[in-house]
Amino acid sequence: EVQLLESGGGLVQPGGSLRLSCAASGFTFSSYAMSWVRQAPGKGLEWVSAISGSGGSTYYADSVKGRFTISRDNSKNTLYLQMNSLRAEDTAVYYCAKDYSSSWPAEYFQHWGQGTLVTVSS
Amino acid sequence: AIRMTQSPSSLSASTGDRVTITCRASQGISSYLAWYQQKPGKAPKLLIYAASTLQSGVPSRFSGSGSGTDFTLTISCLQSEDFATYYCQQYYSYPQTFGQGTKVEIK
Repeated sequence: EVQLLESGGGLVQPGGSLRLSCAASGFTFSSYAMSWVRQAPGKGLEWVSAISGSGGSTYYADSVKGRFTISRDNSKNTLYLQMNSLRAEDTAVYYCAKDYSSSWPAEYFQHWGQGTLVTVSS
Repeated sequence: AIRMTQSPSSLSASTGDRVTITCRASQGISSYLAWYQQKPGKAPKLLIYAASTLQSGVPSRFSGSGSGTDFTLTISCLQSEDFATYYCQQYYSYPQTFGQGTKVEIK
């Protein structure tokens, strides 16, 4: 059974940093692209970033480019999102999501984590 | 970035109704479109991919159609468990983008 478990969310001041983790199990982690998708309170879904199975290719939304870094450790079956220079508008539930098939670029997502809440506020 | 526009933003319907949600892309995306259902406090659930392919385990009352720029999600006979918010997603190009969502409420 595929499981994705996010952690690392919390309250951070504007301008601060946070690193999210997503522990994966139940599939061959290194074979699948992974993505982060966020949802601000009461708002819709926003794709944030994606990384290939090898970690060699990445994409970012314009809203986070230059501030966020996606990475993965295939030996630990873990996906990361390093978030720097955080802003109030980054406040959201952050979901990690597994690509449906072992393709790149990533396509759509059958498996999602439960989400971790990031709140940026002073 | 490709803009995805859903309509309506919300709708009220009764159990047994036929419901149609539309999603329009700002440029052609072939059939690189997925639909998700999301209930409050839960992660999204994949319903349809490649515009019209039903995800395994999803009831057959859900169907998708369209290609290019115009797409539809149809629920043929609304059930109580279908009251939720629905999102379309294009994966034709990065950045991937979602529609703003359509909330299906009980009339």
